[in-house]
Amino acid sequence: EDQVTQSPEALRLQEGESSSLNCSYTVSGLRGLFWYRQDPGKGPEFLFTLYSAGEEKEKERLKATLTKKESFLHITAPKPEDSATYLCAVQAWGAGSYQLTFGKGTKLSVIP
Amino acid sequence: DTGVSQNPRHKITKRGQNVTFRCDPISEHNRLYWYRQTLGQGPEFLTYFQNEAQLEKSRLLSDRFSAERPKGSFSTLEIQRTEQGDSAMYLCASSLQAGNTEAFFGQGTRLTVV
Repeated sequence: EDQVTQSPEALRLQEGESSSLNCSYTVSGLRGLFWYRQDPGKGPEFLFTLYSAGEEKEKERLKATLTKKESFLHITAPKPEDSATYLCAVQAWGAGSYQLTFGKGTKLSVIP
Repeated sequence: DTGVSQNPRHKITKRGQNVTFRCDPISEHNRLYWYRQTLGQGPEFLTYFQNEAQLEKSRLLSDRFSAERPKGSFSTLEIQRTEQGDSAMYLCASSLQAGNTEAFFGQGTRLTVV
């Protein structure tokens, strides 16, 4: 069974204090790993897709990286508007539906 | 196109009543998914459509749940004889059929069963 574990569960940062969120996964064969951002009461917002170990993607202050067992979401010089829950999800080969298996998320709070 | 649209945004119902939610996906997207999310958890897969065909259902989807996508466009999710445990955010997502493409989510329908 595919599993995704995210750590830490919650993270408080001062504005400008860089850090990383971790996503560890177990999957029969990784088709893709996805990062989403979710604001309270809203649906998840797509950020990145990573397909193979060694791949990296960047968007503004966010950078996602992938190894064979985990992914990191690096946040550089965060701002209060980066406060949200960040969700990691995997998609496995052989899952004909292309369904995503999500972790519980990391709740990020950036303090001014 | 403004993205995936879900209605209603909020629904309060009494235990035992039936409820129906609607999802309008992004127009060119063939794949449509329903997920359920409870507080402090990530979304959990419920069911998947490719065009009008329902190709997969999670074991989370009990007999009280039914989903349709009659013309391969919008979809509905019905819950019969609601229970307090059905209280959750119900999320719809859609994606293109070609290749391994990302799914885009709607804003969800928050269901509260009292």
